[in-house]
Amino acid sequence: ELKVEQNPLFLSMQEGKNYTIYCNYSTTSDRLYWYRQDPGKSLESLFVLLSNGAVKQEGRLMASLDTKARLSTLHITAAVHDLSATYFCAVDLNTPLVFGKGTRLSVIA
Amino acid sequence: EAGVVQSPRYKIIEKKQPVAFWCNPISGHNTLYWYRQNLGQGPELLIRYENEEAVDDSQLPKDRFSAERLKGVDSTLKIQPAELGDSAVYLCASSLGPNTGELFFGEGSRLTVL
Repeated sequence: ELKVEQNPLFLSMQEGKNYTIYCNYSTTSDRLYWYRQDPGKSLESLFVLLSNGAVKQEGRLMASLDTKARLSTLHITAAVHDLSATYFCAVDLNTPLVFGKGTRLSVIA
Repeated sequence: EAGVVQSPRYKIIEKKQPVAFWCNPISGHNTLYWYRQNLGQGPELLIRYENEEAVDDSQLPKDRFSAERLKGVDSTLKIQPAELGDSAVYLCASSLGPNTGELFFGEGSRLTVL
């Protein structure tokens, strides 16, 4: 059974600071996705990582995938309040996506 | 292009009552998913359709839950009778195919069972 673990589950960070969210998974896969969810809203796709070593960047967010370590990271650079949300990683193993529990990020002034 | 559309957005019912949710996927998306998201958790798959065929329903509590996707487009998810533990957000998602990349989610139907 594929297990996806994110840490931390809760993150409070100051504006302007950098931080990394980690996503570990238990079974080999080379497809991983990051989603963002605002309170009361649905999931918005952020990044699609489809191979070992894949790196994607959008604004202050950068995602990477290490399939050998079964690890993906979501790095936040110079956080701003608008990044406050819950971030989910999801792993694809030739089945529908299996999601982590999410990391609830709060960016404070 | 319209995204995944779900209705109703909110539903409050008493336990033992029936409830139904509707989903219209993105045009051309053959694969449709129903996920359930409990408070503070990630989405968990209930059922997946390839066109009109349910190909993965192992997590669907079949004693009270049912789903259909007539004509391979719209889908409905029904709960009868609802229990307190069914309170959650029911998310519909679609993709071009089963292994063709990211899922696109609707805004969800929030169910509260009293």
